[in-house]
Amino acid sequence: DQQVKQNSPSLSVQEGRISILNCDYTNSMFDYFLWYKKYPAEGPTFLISISSIKDKNEDGRFTVFLNKSAKHLSLHIVPSQPGDSAVYFCAAGFGNTGKLIFGQGTTLQVKP
Amino acid sequence: NAGVTQTPKFQVLKTGQSMTLQCAQDMNHEYMSWYRQDPGMGLRLIHYSVGAGITDQGEVPNGYNVSRSTTEDFPLRLLSAAPSQTSVYFCASSSSRDTLRTQYFGPGTRLLVL
Repeated sequence: DQQVKQNSPSLSVQEGRISILNCDYTNSMFDYFLWYKKYPAEGPTFLISISSIKDKNEDGRFTVFLNKSAKHLSLHIVPSQPGDSAVYFCAAGFGNTGKLIFGQGTTLQVKP
Repeated sequence: NAGVTQTPKFQVLKTGQSMTLQCAQDMNHEYMSWYRQDPGMGLRLIHYSVGAGITDQGEVPNGYNVSRSTTEDFPLRLLSAAPSQTSVYFCASSSSRDTLRTQYFGPGTRLLVL
């Protein structure tokens, strides 16, 4: 049972446009969510996070939106740049364990 | 600060062989975890630890053992490797001081079991 799902394996956008990556979850006990970016042959790197008590968090070009009633979060990248081309993972966690449940990932390609 | 380091970077094993994947962090983080990444599956949690001497199972623990004798090190042991364990393995750490448990990942170990 996949508790965190990213239903779009890939996304292609033009440089300068908005990229929207989506993530759905099933467990209402999750109390924080994170997005990670991963380049080939490297480990994932933290991008942005949001607590379940918020519905939006912004950091520069990156904004994460959380809709708890729909159990859905999204990552907006504006404007998209070719260097943003990578695999993006959403992840969810709860409690004091440090455990994270990851989605399958979405490969973003930003075309110049 | 080296962050999270993993060795080796790449390893080839024969079925039935054993090996230990090493992970170390120098950030004094309490939490450490092992994940495996497989195509179309994302990252799946194998084992995790909330502090020295304390470990617990994640989503896919079968075939793997861990121990945590120090805060810095969290080795992952494969007792009898199987082809199904061919994967990329990532170690991660995080701090209890960070309420959102932002995890820092190592560069990964690519394992091929023949």
